[in-house]
Amino acid sequence: AQSVTQLDSQVPVFEEAPVELRCNYSSSVSVYLFWYVQYPNQGLQLLLKYLSGSTLVKGINGFEAEFNKSQTSFHLRKPSVHICDTAEYFCAVSDTGRRALTFGSGTRLQVQP
Amino acid sequence: EPEVTQTPSHQVTQMGQEVILRCVPISNHLYFYWYRQILGQKVEFLVSFYNNEISEKSEIFDDQFSVERPDGSNFTLKIRSTKLEDSAMYFCASRELDRQRTEAFFGQGTRLTVV
Repeated sequence: AQSVTQLDSQVPVFEEAPVELRCNYSSSVSVYLFWYVQYPNQGLQLLLKYLSGSTLVKGINGFEAEFNKSQTSFHLRKPSVHICDTAEYFCAVSDTGRRALTFGSGTRLQVQP
Repeated sequence: EPEVTQTPSHQVTQMGQEVILRCVPISNHLYFYWYRQILGQKVEFLVSFYNNEISEKSEIFDDQFSVERPDGSNFTLKIRSTKLEDSAMYFCASRELDRQRTEAFFGQGTRLTVV
């Protein structure tokens, strides 16, 4: 069984400031890791994914995340946020065989002018 | 760009009634999923479907739930006798045949309100 922990339920940040959204996971097997974004009243959109290879992955909208196996983390970062980045961000994990996603509880990023 | 389509976007139903939530997955995808998100809570896996059968289901997916792919394009979730606690956003997702390098694409969701 897997689990995902997003410690920060809300992250307020000013426009053009950097941001890091934290994600930790637990699993007894190798995993794939994902970050999804949910804009208000919309569905889930994939931001980026880690399957294998380089531990630093780049996604859409200037986001990137780093896989740290020893710390079982997959934190999401953006060097300079915009108002339009205001949304709910979900970290998710699946094992390489099972494929169904286990989601974290989400982090609401609120970008203020 | 191909997308997963869900209908309706919002459904209100009385407790005890049956509801069917509809999804049209991306055309070349072969794995299908339903997830739900109760307001303010995390997204939870319900069921996965492949090759016309359920491949996995969670403990949430009890006997009141069923899934079907009736015509090769639609993928439906039926709740036989709705309860108040079934009120949630229901997301459909689909994925290509496993090449070990694919992710699930989600629909916009159906907001189910049971009154």
